[in-house]
Amino acid sequence: NAGVTQTPKFQVLKTGQSMTLQCAQDMNHEYMSWYRQDPGMGLRLIHYSVGAGITDQGEVPNGYNVSRSTTEDFPLRLLSAAPSQTSVYFCASSYSRGGLSGAFFGQGTRLTVV
Amino acid sequence: DQQVKQNSPSLSVQEGRISILNCDYTNSMFDYFLWYKKYPAEGPTFLISISSIKDKNEDGRFTVFLNKSAKHLSLHIVPSQPGDSAVYFCAAVDGGYQKVTFGTGTKLQVIP
Repeated sequence: NAGVTQTPKFQVLKTGQSMTLQCAQDMNHEYMSWYRQDPGMGLRLIHYSVGAGITDQGEVPNGYNVSRSTTEDFPLRLLSAAPSQTSVYFCASSYSRGGLSGAFFGQGTRLTVV
Repeated sequence: DQQVKQNSPSLSVQEGRISILNCDYTNSMFDYFLWYKKYPAEGPTFLISISSIKDKNEDGRFTVFLNKSAKHLSLHIVPSQPGDSAVYFCAAVDGGYQKVTFGTGTKLQVIP
């Protein structure tokens, strides 16, 4: 029972490079979301999806794209990495909208942009 | 504008005593509240939740209290154990049940 799997766990990018953070869940959850965690800021919602084919913006969506072609996968794309995107990124999934039943989080991806 | 605030960045409590973690919010449209615990290098883990129609919810050693008029919620841990040492986040969900807003977290240290 894998839960929510994020890859990679660590990544260093150069400014201007693009990359995709992968997120997969095996619990058949409809609701998935991406957060970034920065010191003193808590977790901030980047994008979320309420089901395959449906995505929407969260609090800090600029510089990120998402798509949801299957229930299982919810990749986060950085289009042109900037040092301000240095952060720890968490993917989460939940059975209910908004995570009312409690969301399951991945272990995180620590991204450094130099 | 921080809509969910945890004003205490850290808290130290003796083992066996009560830990009280506080959270304030400003948006009256929040309809559901959750608490998560996070250990270093791990993702947050769901602890307990409460709907805005309730004022208390218990789960074992964990109790969440909600005061809607004061826009305040608290998490009580009784008795506190060293394994409870972690960062605790409160989170609020809007009435559309789509967006979740997290607080900045409180680091709890339970001293043996």
